[in-house]
Amino acid sequence: KAGVTQTPRYLIKTRGQQVTLSCSPISGHRSVSWYQQTPGQGLQFLFEYFSETQRNKGNFPGRFSGRQFSNSRSEMNVSTLELGDSALYLCASKELAGGDEQFFGPGTRLTVL
Amino acid sequence: GQNIDQPTEMTATEGAIVQINCTYQTSGFNGLFWYQQHAGEAPTFLSYNVLDGLEEKGRFSSFLSRSKGYSYLLLKELQMKDSASYLCALLMNYGGSQGNLIFGKGTKLSVKP
Repeated sequence: KAGVTQTPRYLIKTRGQQVTLSCSPISGHRSVSWYQQTPGQGLQFLFEYFSETQRNKGNFPGRFSGRQFSNSRSEMNVSTLELGDSALYLCASKELAGGDEQFFGPGTRLTVL
Repeated sequence: GQNIDQPTEMTATEGAIVQINCTYQTSGFNGLFWYQQHAGEAPTFLSYNVLDGLEEKGRFSSFLSRSKGYSYLLLKELQMKDSASYLCALLMNYGGSQGNLIFGKGTKLSVKP
């Protein structure tokens, strides 16, 4: 099976812009979670989607949003970008919402100038 | 809430053994994961402990003590390629966080010749 894929791999934006990142989970996996990773804060949970519904949400402002499509692919959107949003954004998929092991994609490196 | 603590950095010598500790305070979790992450890459699964005790997998072993709020990852016969960050993560089992991973900030291990 192909692994989790994320596009784009690298992105440069300026403050105030908005960005959309995409994640395709492993075939058959219905749960997709998004994480932000920065050197200072480590890996932090953003939100999880299962069957097109958001199950959980971490402690991030409303500028961070996401959605999931019927084929389980997921997108996350960040509006009104700030310098502090520069990070590696990782998505992870698993078969079930309450399942155990998550498989991570390679990430999207976002730089906000 | 959950506090997960790991040493920030460790250094060890090729061929040696190193133990990376993880302590936590949480009100409920299904199990504890260890992930390896090389610089610029996605985290990859190393081990998962549900019950107290030692899980061995080749050169890597992981231990969990729920009563002590403590886990460790043991790496034997260190190789240069083991230089990476090691992330401890709890799989939560309560409320809105059920099924989500909460990560420590990771331990950066440097293996020297």
